[in-house]
Amino acid sequence: QLQLQESGPGLVKTSETLSLTCTVSGGSVSSSNYNWGWVRQPPGKGLEWIGSISYSESTHYNPSLKSAVTLSVDTSKNHFSLKVNSVTAADTAVYYCARLSRWGDLYYFDNWGRGALVTVSS
Amino acid sequence: QSALTQPASVSGSPGQSITISCTGTSSDVGGYNYVSWYQQHPGKAPKFMIYDVSNRPSGVSNRFSGSKSGNTASLTISGLQAEDEADYYCSSYTTSSTWVFGGGTKLTVL
Repeated sequence: QLQLQESGPGLVKTSETLSLTCTVSGGSVSSSNYNWGWVRQPPGKGLEWIGSISYSESTHYNPSLKSAVTLSVDTSKNHFSLKVNSVTAADTAVYYCARLSRWGDLYYFDNWGRGALVTVSS
Repeated sequence: QSALTQPASVSGSPGQSITISCTGTSSDVGGYNYVSWYQQHPGKAPKFMIYDVSNRPSGVSNRFSGSKSGNTASLTISGLQAEDEADYYCSSYTTSSTWVFGGGTKLTVL
């Protein structure tokens, strides 16, 4: 059974880089059947799509975050990662990693990690 | 890209039906039949409930159904049960090859 687990610092200082890793078990990040992505949720607020990456490392990013975000895949460690540069308090959120599977014509977020709270503070 | 518009809250009694709307634009909801819905219980990760406007993944109850008219998609839950109480989010593919979520709707089962 597929499991996704986010890991990384729970506290990041303002203007520094937020880095999270999503370790995949029960599946392979190098599979051509799936893409991988990140969604965040500020405390008490709604979901925000951050971006997605394919097994071939083709990426798509939220236009409002694009200049600050980088996604990558490490097939040797079977994990994928998120970096957000120059963070502010507005980047405080629960960060979810997720698998995207093909349903019909598109890839949808069908399997999610439990989420990791990252707080940005000076 | 702007978030899709959902009502902040809806409520219904057990056994009743409720509908949650999700309004976007011709660049997202109205332009594609690629709307999905997610259920999120407090402190939990979202759960994939509907894709391609009206299709249910295996394992999702047939009490959940989706539809779309123009720039507005809808999620209907029939035969409300206590365990349906949760937050619900719509999402749509966009002309920019990106995804956008709605602001979320809190469903209260009275």
